[in-house]
Amino acid sequence: QKEVEQNSGPLSVPEGAIASLNCTYSDRVSQSFFWYRQYSGKSPELIMSIYSNGDKEDGRFTAQLNKASQYVSLLIRDSQPSDSATYLCAVNIPPGLAGGSYIPTFGRGTSLIVHP
Amino acid sequence: EPEVTQTPSHQVTQMGQEVILRCVPISNHLYFYWYRQILGQKVEFLVSFYNNEISEKSEIFDDQFSVERPDGSNFTLKIRSTKLEDSAMYFCASSEALLGTSVETQYFGPGTRLLVL
Repeated sequence: QKEVEQNSGPLSVPEGAIASLNCTYSDRVSQSFFWYRQYSGKSPELIMSIYSNGDKEDGRFTAQLNKASQYVSLLIRDSQPSDSATYLCAVNIPPGLAGGSYIPTFGRGTSLIVHP
Repeated sequence: EPEVTQTPSHQVTQMGQEVILRCVPISNHLYFYWYRQILGQKVEFLVSFYNNEISEKSEIFDDQFSVERPDGSNFTLKIRSTKLEDSAMYFCASSEALLGTSVETQYFGPGTRLLVL
């Protein structure tokens, strides 16, 4: 069973601080990694995708990937109360030796609370 | 901006009844997906669909489930005989390209909340 693990939280940070969210995955050959934001009762909304080792920045968000250690993280700078949501890490698990298609696999999500 | 739409937004049904959840993917997308999320749990992949056939399915997607693209715009998920444990939010998604390629971003619909009594 290919797994994606996240700390469920909640992670509580003050407004203006940096929020750091982490994710580990079990399938070493995975190549595609995604962070989604999900507000309660709503659908996942893509924040970032990352494919190469290192950092990828988009506005206040930075995704970091380390394939050797099999972890991916998301940093949110200058956190705002509107960032309060559950953040989902997702990995497209490649097909196995038997073939098939990639299977999107999600972690349970980390609940982030940004308090004023 | 184009978006994935789903109907109905809420569905209440009796155990053993059949339900059909409907999705309209983004018009130029070729790959379609269904996910479910039981309350408080993670998003779980059910099935992917391309070129009028299933590309991949999870263990959850058993004989009670089926998918269809009945016309050029709709993509449906049918649950033949609903069980209590089918109560969940069901999300449809679509992507322009095959997962594992560089243009594989999935766009999610707003979901259908299914409650089986």
